[in-house]
Amino acid sequence: GQQVQQSPASLVLQEGENAELQCNFSTSLNSMQWFYQRPGGSLVSLFYNPSGTKHSGRLTSTTVIKERRSSLHISSSQTTDSGTYLCALDDQGGSAKLIFGEGTKLTVSS
Amino acid sequence: EAAVTQSPRNKVAVTGGKVTLSCNQTNNHNNMYWYRQDTGHGLRLIHYSYGAGSTEKGDIPDGYKASRPSQENFSLILELATPSQTSVYFCASGGGTGTSYEQYFGPGTRLTVL
Repeated sequence: GQQVQQSPASLVLQEGENAELQCNFSTSLNSMQWFYQRPGGSLVSLFYNPSGTKHSGRLTSTTVIKERRSSLHISSSQTTDSGTYLCALDDQGGSAKLIFGEGTKLTVSS
Repeated sequence: EAAVTQSPRNKVAVTGGKVTLSCNQTNNHNNMYWYRQDTGHGLRLIHYSYGAGSTEKGDIPDGYKASRPSQENFSLILELATPSQTSVYFCASGGGTGTSYEQYFGPGTRLTVL
């Protein structure tokens, strides 16, 4: 079965609202990597977070291993935040492969 | 931040032709990866490598070969291109330092097979 599940699949916000994106995993975790992808663009790494909370500007990533989840919080959203957010699991299998979720498509309107 | 470049950025090929996609990284990362991204399928791993001279099959290797002649370069080869291989291809590199497999992606190559 699917090892990484992202929710919601899509999200529409008004500029200034906050967003909470979730990633749940069913296998053991070495770390979780969060990416941002603009339409037609490449993947930009936002966080590589094995556990706990990390901050970068308006973005916060929290990984709770016991609860098998990782979240990405976007505060005070802007139209430029629109795009797809992907989480990817780095498991403990030692294979150096990431297991990707299907992504959350975020649309922020002004 | 890791620098990963890909060439060409866009490619139109004919069915049955040979296509080579190239990737270069300048951060001395051990691991390199080739993915394809299609609507409805997300990102899928084709081949990857742990270092110069090594290639490993990913989740969808059929119809593709890979070559890692040096630490910096990793190529994806389509010997007999088919229309089903029309996609956007991404190369990525990762440090593999200790237990970290953080990956950095190149800009992508849009391949159309006619």
